[in-house]
Amino acid sequence: AQSVTQLGSHVSVSEGALVLLRCNYSSSVPPYLFWYVQYPNQGLQLLLKYTTGATLVKGINGFEAEFKKSETSFHLTKPSAHMSDAAEYFCAVTSSGYSTLTFGKGTMLLVSP
Amino acid sequence: NAGVTQTPKFQVLKTGQSMTLQCAQDMNHNSMYWYRQDPGMGLRLIYYSASEGTTDKGEVPNGYNVSRLNKREFSLRLESAAPSQTSVYFCASADRRNTEAFFGQGTRLTVV
Repeated sequence: AQSVTQLGSHVSVSEGALVLLRCNYSSSVPPYLFWYVQYPNQGLQLLLKYTTGATLVKGINGFEAEFKKSETSFHLTKPSAHMSDAAEYFCAVTSSGYSTLTFGKGTMLLVSP
Repeated sequence: NAGVTQTPKFQVLKTGQSMTLQCAQDMNHNSMYWYRQDPGMGLRLIYYSASEGTTDKGEVPNGYNVSRLNKREFSLRLESAAPSQTSVYFCASADRRNTEAFFGQGTRLTVV
């Protein structure tokens, strides 16, 4: 079985500050890891993904995440927050050969001026 | 490129009524999924279909049925709606290797 834990249901930052959203996973096989963003009243949009290869992955809108196997983590970062980054962020895990994508409970990012 | 299309976008049902949520994808994906999203709960898998002709239960299947009509379409049916099924429902599809999943815009369902 696979699972995802996102630490913090809400994270507040000031515009221009570092964004750090935490994700830890559990998987008995090599994982594929994803971050999705959801803006109000919209569907989920893929930010970035890790499947194999380079452990530091870059996504859209200046976000990046690093796969750390020893820590079973895939934290999402952005050096400088923008007001438009305010949204809910979901971490998810699956694997090659798996038929399901398991999500964390989400982290709402609040950005203040 | 439409991606994943869900209909309807909004629906209000009375307790006990039935309805079918429709989902279609145009990416030739093998896998399709139905999730529900509730505040503080993330997305929970209701049913999935790994390929045409197969369906399997997810985490929260009770009160729902699904049909994988063909490779493109995967519908979700509520036979007798209950207030606990008030939620936002998302359909998604993924390629065989699960390297990316694409989501529809969601159906906001209210059961009164």
